[in-house]
Amino acid sequence: GAVVSQHPSRVICKSGTSVKIECRSLDFQATTMFWYRQFPKQSLMLMATSNEGSKATYEQGVEKDKFLINHASLTLSTLTVTSAHPEDSSFYICSASRQGRGEQYFGPGTRLTVT
Amino acid sequence: GENVEQHPSTLSVQEGDSAVIKCTYSDSASNYFPWYKQELGKRPQLIIDIRSNVGEKKDQRIAVTLNKTAKHFSLHITETQPEDSAVYFCAANNNNDMRFGAGTRLTVKP
Repeated sequence: GAVVSQHPSRVICKSGTSVKIECRSLDFQATTMFWYRQFPKQSLMLMATSNEGSKATYEQGVEKDKFLINHASLTLSTLTVTSAHPEDSSFYICSASRQGRGEQYFGPGTRLTVT
Repeated sequence: GENVEQHPSTLSVQEGDSAVIKCTYSDSASNYFPWYKQELGKRPQLIIDIRSNVGEKKDQRIAVTLNKTAKHFSLHITETQPEDSAVYFCAANNNNDMRFGAGTRLTVKP
């Protein structure tokens, strides 16, 4: 149990375009979902936390108008990178947790390359 | 907010030896401490975790210890194997606010 999927696994887009990444909990209801960014050889940096049906809480320094997060249901959260630039190229990983539990289950990640 | 420090950043051991990775945290309210293993380009995989009401936990070759007073916790891998080579991250969690250490790149030489 506790499987999280993420789609797409890889995406290449042109500068200025928008990209949407989906994160799904396949076999449990995720009350909270998290979005992380990971640059090469670095740790996971939390971008935002989202609870189903409410607005996401963004970490300091993360532009909420650039990284749009929607958590419309207990099994789906989306991250949209708007007006992408080459510096947005990174590995984006989502995770999901059940209510009252500290464990986070990670998706397989999405490698975004902006050309 | 929580600040997690992890040492060492790289660790190289001979197959069969033990490996120890140490982390400290700053927020005394943190109550859940997972350890993740991440292979290149893949998702972090939970390998062991410990809650603040326990001082030690073991799962086969992997063990974790927690010292709440000193706010540090450690990962111990015994009888290391080449397939243990990966990046390991510790984390400290307080009410769904989880912060990661910088990671330790473990290399096990055959």
